[in-house]
Amino acid sequence: QQPVQSPQAVILREGEDAVINCSSSKALYSVHWYRQKHGEAPVFLMILLKGGEQKGHEKISASFNEKKQQSSLYLTASQLSYSGTYFCGTDQYNFNKFYFGSGTKLNVKP
Amino acid sequence: DTEVTQTPKHLVMGMTNKKSLKCEQHMGHRAMYWYKQKAKKPPELMFVYSYEKLSINESVPSRFSPECPNSSLLNLHLHALQPEDSALYLCASSQVTDRPYGYTFGSGTRLTVV
Repeated sequence: QQPVQSPQAVILREGEDAVINCSSSKALYSVHWYRQKHGEAPVFLMILLKGGEQKGHEKISASFNEKKQQSSLYLTASQLSYSGTYFCGTDQYNFNKFYFGSGTKLNVKP
Repeated sequence: DTEVTQTPKHLVMGMTNKKSLKCEQHMGHRAMYWYKQKAKKPPELMFVYSYEKLSINESVPSRFSPECPNSSLLNLHLHALQPEDSALYLCASSQVTDRPYGYTFGSGTRLTVV
């Protein structure tokens, strides 16, 4: 039930771009993206609903391909503040039952 | 007020102790959740309350006992825990509508069982 994320870790220089992928073997209704900094709680970034929409949040955007049950998070012109662990999360037509992916640790260096 | 407040922030307890974790939100959210997070792992769903009723229990051992006294409060009662229960316990809340909404997480309680 847990979605699979890739890559597990990414190291970037400021200004570089990154893509984080999330896939599920189950039919999904929605995909969430969260960022968690060390020692802090996960922070909600965005949610994508079935329908293939793409959403954006400043220089962070995401897409959801419901046919493939895959979502991708795009980080453009990364900033130091983007460092943290990114989790996708999915609900399988029960949006009170929500599972996080394995996480992608992003480290943005000056 | 867009926060979920958890207390205490840190807790050390012995295996024979009884303690409680508390969570409070004033965003009018009617779904509240307990998650457990081990180091370098994703949060794992434990319990879901919807309109103050327990709707999901992810086969959590009975030494963890959730309680939702009202729409703003969520407790997690702990008794006879094991060292492997040491983890960050996160509370979250969300709206309950016909469309899914993002979750707001508290900062967590870091629990150490000795």
